[in-house]
Amino acid sequence: NAGVTQTPKFQVLKTGQSMTLQCAQDMNHEYMSWYRQDPGMGLRLIHYSVGAGITDQGEVPNGYNVSRSTTEDFPLRLLSAAPSQTSVYFCASSHRGIGYEAFFGQGTRLTVV
Amino acid sequence: SQQGEEDPQALSIQEGENATMNCSYKTSINNLQWYRQNSGRGLVHLILIRSNEREKHSGRLRVTLDTSKKSSSLLITASRAADTASYFCATQPLLNKLIFGAGTRLAVHP
Repeated sequence: NAGVTQTPKFQVLKTGQSMTLQCAQDMNHEYMSWYRQDPGMGLRLIHYSVGAGITDQGEVPNGYNVSRSTTEDFPLRLLSAAPSQTSVYFCASSHRGIGYEAFFGQGTRLTVV
Repeated sequence: SQQGEEDPQALSIQEGENATMNCSYKTSINNLQWYRQNSGRGLVHLILIRSNEREKHSGRLRVTLDTSKKSSSLLITASRAADTASYFCATQPLLNKLIFGAGTRLAVHP
């Protein structure tokens, strides 16, 4: 049972570089989301998707792009990395609807220098 | 802005003691969930309480919800060193969107 898999686990980027954080789930969940976690800030929602081909913005979407071409995958793209994007990123998935628990990946620790 | 606010920010207790964490939120909700995060790991779902429920139990966990005060509490009874983690409440104001608070860091000392 893989659950939610995120890659890579660690990444160092230079300012201005771009990269894609990968997220895949094998539970046939319709809903997937990306959060960032900063010290003392809890988790903040970046983008989310309620199904293939459908995405929407969360609380802090600037500087990030997403797409959802399949049910399983929900990659997060950093277009031009900035030091303010240094954070731990979590992908989560759940069944679509109210009252379903979210399953989280193990996180990607990103440092932008 | 974040929906949930946990209190206290940090809690330090001895094994065997009870730990109580509180969560306040701002808007109407369908349900409230509690999650646990061990250091450096992803979040794990603990318990969900619906807006029409007042109390729910799961093993050593007891959750209460007071929608009139927009608050919830998580009680861990007879705590163990393995309970050391951060605990987050998450509200679900809209379909599927989970909004998290800043969390309570719990340290349980042997």
